Amino acid sequence: AQSVSQHNHHVILSEAASLELGCNYSYGGTVNLFWYVQYPGQHLQLLLKYFSGDPLVKGIKGFEAEFIKSKFSFNLRKPSVQWSDTAEYFCAAALYDYKLSFGAGTTVTVRA
Amino acid sequence: DTAVSQTPKYLVTQMGNDKSIKCEQNLGHDTMYWYKQDSKKFLKIMFSYNNKELIINETVPNRFSPKSPDKAHLNLHINSLELGDSAVYFCASSRNTDYEQYFGPGTRLTVT
Repeated sequence: AQSVSQHNHHVILSEAASLELGCNYSYGGTVNLFWYVQYPGQHLQLLLKYFSGDPLVKGIKGFEAEFIKSKFSFNLRKPSVQWSDTAEYFCAAALYDYKLSFGAGTTVTVRA
Repeated sequence: DTAVSQTPKYLVTQMGNDKSIKCEQNLGHDTMYWYKQDSKKFLKIMFSYNNKELIINETVPNRFSPKSPDKAHLNLHINSLELGDSAVYFCASSRNTDYEQYFGPGTRLTVT
């Protein structure tokens, strides 16, 4: 069975700092990878996704992620965070069977 | 326009009661899902329907019964509610061959 692990449980940083959230998946075959964000009190929104092609994926709100197949990783980055980026971030992976497996989530708190 | 909607948004009920949560999507998607998010924000898939057929049925107590009257609707009925059922339940949908899932706003269920 595949699993998704996120390395950081809670990240606290100041505005304008750079953010990188780690994500690793355990499946060796073809996977589709996602990052979702959940702002306080809101539903999950898709930040970006990787299916194939360029391993550096750009998403909304200035986020990007890099797929490194040899490391089974799909880390999320943002060069300069804002207070409004305070949220819960979920990495997810899907195989052919539609089943999205989510990581445990990383709480990001940005201090003004 | 709301893409994936759920009703109710909040549901407070007593142990032993039976309740239903409704989900509707207007995206024309063929596949719909129910997820449970526990108090630690961990998201786990419960069920998935594709063209009204059950395709994913994770290890969920049989007190939970999904029902898909048509492709645009996926309801979740819960019998004999228990304290441990308290969680946020998210509905999601996706195109048949596209793994990007669109999430609803969630239903916060509190069992007292």
